[in-house]
Amino acid sequence: DTAVSQTPKYLVTQMGNDKSIKCEQNLGHDTMYWYKQDSKKFLKIMFSYNNKELIINETVPNRFSPKSPDKAHLNLHINSLELGDSAVYFCASSQGNNYGYTFGSGTRLTVV
Amino acid sequence: EDQVTQSPEALRLQEGESSSLNCSYTVSGLRGLFWYRQDPGKGPEFLFTLYSAGEEKEKERLKATLTKKESFLHITAPKPEDSATYLCAVQGTGAGSYQLTFGKGTKLSVIP
Repeated sequence: DTAVSQTPKYLVTQMGNDKSIKCEQNLGHDTMYWYKQDSKKFLKIMFSYNNKELIINETVPNRFSPKSPDKAHLNLHINSLELGDSAVYFCASSQGNNYGYTFGSGTRLTVV
Repeated sequence: EDQVTQSPEALRLQEGESSSLNCSYTVSGLRGLFWYRQDPGKGPEFLFTLYSAGEEKEKERLKATLTKKESFLHITAPKPEDSATYLCAVQGTGAGSYQLTFGKGTKLSVIP
């Protein structure tokens, strides 16, 4: 069974569209995250949720909004997509805040 | 702001040729230092967590060490299957302590 699963794996869309990426974890972890990996392979935190509460929110445009219907899910909604949003987005989870994260396999978003 | 610098950016080794990867960091109180392996098209895979200077951890051909300013990932007698990008990350005790701050990684290629 996949521990952290993301869908879709690939997403190609036009500028201005709205899209969502789904993430589910079956590890029973209490914290989930979204990271963005740019073309230079640099991973940067976007959001994290702990017990359904947003606990950090880096300088991410408000076009991006995380939504967590329950502890096992953290979805990412993106409005009015721009070319610069093209990247690989990774979902991750952890138990507490000082243990290794488990990452999903990533969603490659291409905005054309 | 937490910072992580990894060197070299890329490393080519002959099979069996041992070497080390470096991770230098600045953090306002270290909660943990993490090493991950990332294969192309996949999410980072957790390898080690180190919590205090002097700590060492081993897994197969990999050994991670930690000082107050840097960490090393030693690779002994590498095999082609060790080829991957190795990522270092730190977690501080300051604001946003749930997040990991990643370096840009070292891309390791092991030539048969």
